[in-house]
Amino acid sequence: QKEVEQDPGPLSVPEGAIVSLNCTYSNSAFQYFMWYRQYSRKGPELLMYTYSSGNKEDGRFTAQVDKSSKYISLFIRDSQPSDSATYLCAMRNYGQNFVFGPGTRLSVLP
Amino acid sequence: EPEVTQTPSHQVTQMGQEVILRCVPISNHLYFYWYRQILGQKVEFLVSFYNNEISEKSEIFDDQFSVERPDGSNFTLKIRSTKLEDSAMYFCASTLDSSYNSPLHFGNGTRLTVT
Repeated sequence: QKEVEQDPGPLSVPEGAIVSLNCTYSNSAFQYFMWYRQYSRKGPELLMYTYSSGNKEDGRFTAQVDKSSKYISLFIRDSQPSDSATYLCAMRNYGQNFVFGPGTRLSVLP
Repeated sequence: EPEVTQTPSHQVTQMGQEVILRCVPISNHLYFYWYRQILGQKVEFLVSFYNNEISEKSEIFDDQFSVERPDGSNFTLKIRSTKLEDSAMYFCASTLDSSYNSPLHFGNGTRLTVT
């Protein structure tokens, strides 16, 4: 079993839709969770980070962590064509290195 | 907002040649990293660096790779004798410290093409 798994997509949605992106992980020691957005041929850009179970909201983005299920989600409300990118989840335990999921490619169609 | 900068944005080299990829991490950050992303694949950890020494490295980071912080601002990745399979995007990243509230901040990468 891979340490962090994501559905690679591509995921295509119409503009204005609510998008749900998900990661599952196997290592229960992970305590700290991040979502990155990566445009083609650019570096990953930090969107959200959290270290507790529950929800964290920032504008159109909501990050959700369920440690008991080892499952994290990123919701994008009112999706825009500019949200079209690859979304990477990442996680770590204290003092250890970050582990990335393979990414989900999202296309928001105008 | 402070950012990680990388140069060059694209480097083409012949197999067997040495390349040096350069990075300027965010100025008050203490931990530095190199990651690699082969086209269409996941972001892979290469090496982390703290207090002027390597703190962790992956299996990818073999004897052909080395890192250096030659001065107070630059952080470099050297590949001594490039192979075709070294062709990838190389990302430098930095964090403020090793705490939970210290996410990775990435540069925009150097695209390395080995011919």
